[in-house]
Amino acid sequence: DAKTTQPTSMDCAEGRAANLPCNHSTISGNEYVYWYRQIHSQGPQYIIHGLKNNETNEMASLIITEDRKSSTLILPHATLRDTAVYYCIVRVRHFGNEKLTFGTGTRLTIIP
Amino acid sequence: NAGVTQTPKFQVLKTGQSMTLQCAQDMNHEYMSWYRQDPGMGLRLIHYSVGAGITDQGEVPNGYNVSRSTTEDFPLRLLSAAPSQTSVYFCASSYHEGPYEQYFGPGTRLTVT
Repeated sequence: DAKTTQPTSMDCAEGRAANLPCNHSTISGNEYVYWYRQIHSQGPQYIIHGLKNNETNEMASLIITEDRKSSTLILPHATLRDTAVYYCIVRVRHFGNEKLTFGTGTRLTIIP
Repeated sequence: NAGVTQTPKFQVLKTGQSMTLQCAQDMNHEYMSWYRQDPGMGLRLIHYSVGAGITDQGEVPNGYNVSRSTTEDFPLRLLSAAPSQTSVYFCASSYHEGPYEQYFGPGTRLTVT
């Protein structure tokens, strides 16, 4: 699986857009980009995933560069409840071999 | 749906004791897995299963056993607890085919003294 690089920590003002970057320069053509978050020692929560097109759901948007070597998770209007550790994971889907490799993630703090 | 449930929430063991962490899901997911998380670190995969009767090792399998006799349940057994196994344990499940997300349980906080 491709290795990912994320900043250790970031701050964002409440109500503003939080933009979390992730580098995955060794990504392969069949590898997906997943984002999860973990709020204060709870179980990780799925946010969004994509292959090469930009994706949006009710929680966030995922922007993947054209060369797929980096991506950005966007929380459009951050709230205090978005304070969490955010994990960017790159994973290929094999039949019979699906598992996630978590790094240390980005600790996002939303400032009131 | 209850989603992924784990019991117990907290457990204290003495070195050498054995115990089983329970995990169940009611979403008919084929895939289930166990992770551990140590302070300040990301999650590390212990064991996983792609369906009833099939299990495989993850990144850190030593000291743990699993079995998958039903689709719903995936217990994790600590054979002889060691202080190095003090951690928070998360169980997860997902559909097997397609790029589906994993659903995580609330975790079991285990302390081995």
